[in-house]
Amino acid sequence: EAQVTQNPRYLITVTGKKLTVTCSQNMNHEYMSWYRQDPGLGLRQIYYSMNVEVTDKGDVPEGYKVSRKEKRNFPLILESPSPNQTSLYFCASSFMADSPLHFGNGTRLTVT
Amino acid sequence: GDSVTQMEGPVTLSEEAFLTINCTYTATGYPSLFWYVQYPGEGLQLLLKATKADDKGSNKGFEATYRKETTSFHLEKGSVQVSDSAVYFCALATSGGSYIPTFGRGTSLIVHP
Repeated sequence: EAQVTQNPRYLITVTGKKLTVTCSQNMNHEYMSWYRQDPGLGLRQIYYSMNVEVTDKGDVPEGYKVSRKEKRNFPLILESPSPNQTSLYFCASSFMADSPLHFGNGTRLTVT
Repeated sequence: GDSVTQMEGPVTLSEEAFLTINCTYTATGYPSLFWYVQYPGEGLQLLLKATKADDKGSNKGFEATYRKETTSFHLEKGSVQVSDSAVYFCALATSGGSYIPTFGRGTSLIVHP
C-alpha cells in the first residue's frame, strides 16, 4: 500500500531536549516536505526536498533541521525544542512539484 | 508570492443541503489546483484536482472548476452527508522554481443529521 509513515504519532517533551520525527515514503517520490498545522494559520511549510541531498527552507524553517540521505526518508530534527514549536506536524511527498501531495497521519508535539 | 484565500468556517449544514466553499488564488505562472480533506485525527488526503483552466475536478460527489478569469476554484456538492464533516483545504502548486505548495487556512464543515 502506497503510504507516508511518520513516527511517533504523539510526543511530549521538555524545552531543549533534542528530538527527531521520522518520515518514510514507499512511492519512490522525488519531493518530500514537512508542514506544521496550527489553529487559524492552516498549513505552513517548514522544509522541503526535491531530491536526495537537496533540501531548502520553506515558510517557517527557524528552529528545525532536516536531512535527505535516502530517497525514502526525510526526518525532521528539533535540536532545542521550545514551547512555540508545540504543533501538529505533517510529512508529505509527491511525484512532481505540481503533483498531489500524499500526507502522513501527523505527529502531535507538545513542548513544555 | 502565491496565495490562497478560502472562506472561513465553520460551515454548518443539515444533511442533504447544498455545499459551496469558496476559494480564490493568486499565483505567478500556471498553477495546478487542489482540494484536500482532513477527517478528524487524520492527515490530509486529496479530494480532487484540476491542472488547467476550465478543467473540472470531481470525486465522491464533490466538484470544482478551475476558473482562470476569476482565479477561483470553488468546491461544491449537491447533497452533503454527515460523513462529509471534515476540514477542507484549497491549495495550489506550480512546477517552476521553488517547491512550496500554498494552502488556504482550511474550512471546517459540520453536517447535522
